[in-house]
Amino acid sequence: ETGVTQSPTHLIKTRGQQVTLRCSSQSGHNTVSWYQQALGQGPQFIFQYYREEENGRGNFPPRFSGLQFPNYSSELNVNALELDDSALYLCASSSTGTYYEQYFGPGTRLTVT
Amino acid sequence: AQTVTQSQPEMSVQEAETVTLSCTYDTSESDYYLFWYKQPPSRQMILVIRQEAYKQQNATENRFSVNFQKAAKSFSLKISDSQLGDAAMYFCAYRSDYGGATNKLIFGTGTLLAVQP
Repeated sequence: ETGVTQSPTHLIKTRGQQVTLRCSSQSGHNTVSWYQQALGQGPQFIFQYYREEENGRGNFPPRFSGLQFPNYSSELNVNALELDDSALYLCASSSTGTYYEQYFGPGTRLTVT
Repeated sequence: AQTVTQSQPEMSVQEAETVTLSCTYDTSESDYYLFWYKQPPSRQMILVIRQEAYKQQNATENRFSVNFQKAAKSFSLKISDSQLGDAAMYFCAYRSDYGGATNKLIFGTGTLLAVQP
């Protein structure tokens, strides 16, 4: 297993609500990337944080936002939840010392009803 | 924009046999990395093998090896002596190696591998 942890494991929200997902990066890693994996699909890149600043964003609307903290842990916030936001959300940490190889957490399963 | 295609939604192999999973990609870049990730039912994505595009030699990791054909933009994964624990979803992924580029991974849609005892 990697040293990347995510919380919560599962959660259920109602359409229109807001949600915050959390990720703790592996020790020594300063970069966190977030991915959305819909059922039966490959992960899609949401955005990446490097040293507390956003360092690239995929094709996701502004209601998807994030933060990275001084200890390099990170949050993904989603506002105004839609049914299509139901997915597995993966975070991955990396650093320059590992060819930027990404080490994934176990994911958070979000269900929007 | 770069794309990754996995044309085999599902594959099956007998225990101890060999199986090859296919992946093609499209890019105009010359410097990049290619990866195979394994995602078991536990959901945690695990790196299986990495290939640097500038290296002509195919990467190997124990029972896992790749056939990297840069001109054809093909990157297949061969699993030898298949084991029950190899059963999982396998994703092929691309990452740009250009300085300043976000090191995001671009994934294919995956191949679900079943291993029959």
